[in-house]
Amino acid sequence: DTAVSQTPKYLVTQMGNDKSIKCEQNLGHDTMYWYKQDSKKFLKIMFSYNNKELIINETVPNRFSPKSPDKAHLNLHINSLELGDSAVYFCASSSGPQGTQYFGPGTRLLVL
Amino acid sequence: RKEVEQDPGPFNVPEGATVAFNCTYSNSASQSFFWYRQDCRKEPKLLMSVYSSGNEDGRFTAQLNRASQYISLLIRDSKLSDSATYLCVVATNNDMRFGAGTRLTVKP
Repeated sequence: DTAVSQTPKYLVTQMGNDKSIKCEQNLGHDTMYWYKQDSKKFLKIMFSYNNKELIINETVPNRFSPKSPDKAHLNLHINSLELGDSAVYFCASSSGPQGTQYFGPGTRLLVL
Repeated sequence: RKEVEQDPGPFNVPEGATVAFNCTYSNSASQSFFWYRQDCRKEPKLLMSVYSSGNEDGRFTAQLNRASQYISLLIRDSKLSDSATYLCVVATNNDMRFGAGTRLTVKP
């Protein structure tokens, strides 16, 4: 059983489109995250939710909107996709804000 | 100054070598420290936590120096399978910051 899963694994889309990435964890964790890893491989946190409440919201364009319907899910919706959004997006979860983070396999987004 | 800084490498070492990575952090209030490993086109995975007294896990030794605000990772007897990018992670309150990673290649 996959602990942290993301769908889709690959996403190729045109500029201007709206897309969503889904994340689910079956570890019973309270905290979930979204990270962006760009072409330079730098892993940058975007959002963090603890018990469905937003606790970290980095300087991310408001085209990115996270949604946590319950503690096991944290989805990421992106409006009006831009070329610069192309990256690998990782979801992660932990038992608390400073606990070990378990990452999903990543979603490779390519905006054309 | 970046919050978490690592030498990006690459470090190219022969099998059996000992290699060490350092990572510096800027926030003196940081509380928890970790090393993660990321293989090419894979997700990061926890390698080990770093404790104040230093800790060892097999061939891997992690050290923390709070006064100088750096952590280190020592790998002894390098294996081909150690080839990966090693990410330093520093946690402060509710915030975890990743370094850009140090790339290691172990060659036969």
